Amino acid sequence: GESVGLHLPTLSVQEGDNSIINCAYSNSASDYFIWYKQESGKGPQFIIDIRSNMDKRQGQRVTVLLNKTVKHLSLQIAATQPGDSAVYFCAENGNDYKLSFGAGTTVTVRA
Amino acid sequence: DTGVSQNPRHKITKRGQNVTFRCDPISEHNRLYWYRQTLGQGPEFLTYFQNEAQLEKSRLLSDRFSAERPKGSFSTLEIQRTEQGDSAMYLCASSQEGGSYEQYFGPGTRLTVT
Repeated sequence: GESVGLHLPTLSVQEGDNSIINCAYSNSASDYFIWYKQESGKGPQFIIDIRSNMDKRQGQRVTVLLNKTVKHLSLQIAATQPGDSAVYFCAENGNDYKLSFGAGTTVTVRA
Repeated sequence: DTGVSQNPRHKITKRGQNVTFRCDPISEHNRLYWYRQTLGQGPEFLTYFQNEAQLEKSRLLSDRFSAERPKGSFSTLEIQRTEQGDSAMYLCASSQEGGSYEQYFGPGTRLTVT
């Protein structure tokens, strides 16, 4: 079936370094992608989104890259901070309502 | 706080009991979604409302599950005859039709069936 998935379940990064979290998707009809951050005991929190007609979008300390040729999505976090420790999910929205989530990457920031 | 709220935050119940969860979306949002999340997994779509109309239900939503949004504002999710496999985090999200596809999530209700 079609799904959204992440390459690595865990990522350990030194405080101050840049983080890159990857996601592969298989639904070529997907036209909208979102990255969410989820801290323990909380609901997913929106980080950044990108539409399929874009290759790159930047926010505050975060950048999302979309490569439609290989169906790959990545989230880059600049100057990773302890507060960035969380589980990160990519999600796709192919038909205007429900989101399909990957399994998530747990990011741990080392002091 | 004008975000999505969910009650209760935690629920422990015995197998076979019925439980009901409530979600209050962001007030101007007319779309409301329910998701289920098990440990270590991403949220899975359960059902979706536009105003008071329930427009889609996932195959995950067995006959023991029912969701309502009677006045197009808050929603309830009821699980009848709970089973241990129902133990999960139940997340509610809302969005505005015609706006960004972004869905705003509530804090979730964690259900434990013993």
